[in-house]
Amino acid sequence: DAGVIQSPRHEVTEMGQEVTLRCKPISGHDYLFWYRQTMMRGLELLIYFNNNVPIDDSGMPEDRFSAKMPNASFSTLKIQPSEPRDSAVYFCASSYRRTEAFFGQGTRLTVV
Amino acid sequence: KQEVTQIPAALSVPEGENLVLNCSFTDSAIYNLQWFRQDPGKGLTSLLLIQSSQREQTSGRLNASLDKSSGRSTLYIAASQPGDSATYLCAVFVSGGSNYKLTFGKGTLLTVNP
Repeated sequence: DAGVIQSPRHEVTEMGQEVTLRCKPISGHDYLFWYRQTMMRGLELLIYFNNNVPIDDSGMPEDRFSAKMPNASFSTLKIQPSEPRDSAVYFCASSYRRTEAFFGQGTRLTVV
Repeated sequence: KQEVTQIPAALSVPEGENLVLNCSFTDSAIYNLQWFRQDPGKGLTSLLLIQSSQREQTSGRLNASLDKSSGRSTLYIAASQPGDSATYLCAVFVSGGSNYKLTFGKGTLLTVNP
């Protein structure tokens, strides 16, 4: 398996624009997590899914953030409208039955 | 709320030294604990997973231990090498019903000097 795949790797956008981050989990994994990493706060859990169903979105900072998982092999994290303070590295991770979690390479988002 | 603390925040050692990284967590009701490595600008690489029923796990020069009752885990690195330089992150899986959150510490930045 190629591991968790995220796209794009880098995204630079202007304030107010919509940003969509994509994630393909490892095949067969039933949990998917979205994290955000900043120097100040470290790794923060935004939302996670179990069998494509959102379980806990309490970490989503504002209504500007939304996440979907239409099927077992694809998830998106959308920010609309984007703001400079959203600049961070966003990671997607997946695991099977609450065991070892595997992370993607991340998407570095810069909002100017 | 589960809180994970890693000490020290940064560590610099000469090559060949054995070293210990520490991780503590506030809620002992964990499902398991995982150690990761992160290189600058890269994603997280899983190093070791310790199930809540286990006391330790070993992989090569790495040995991780878990003491749930005291809320502590250590990562032991033997005979450190410059290639071990990275940030090491500890994460705990909170257990309880459908709740399954992976909570991270802030990490320890390790520098191994040749």
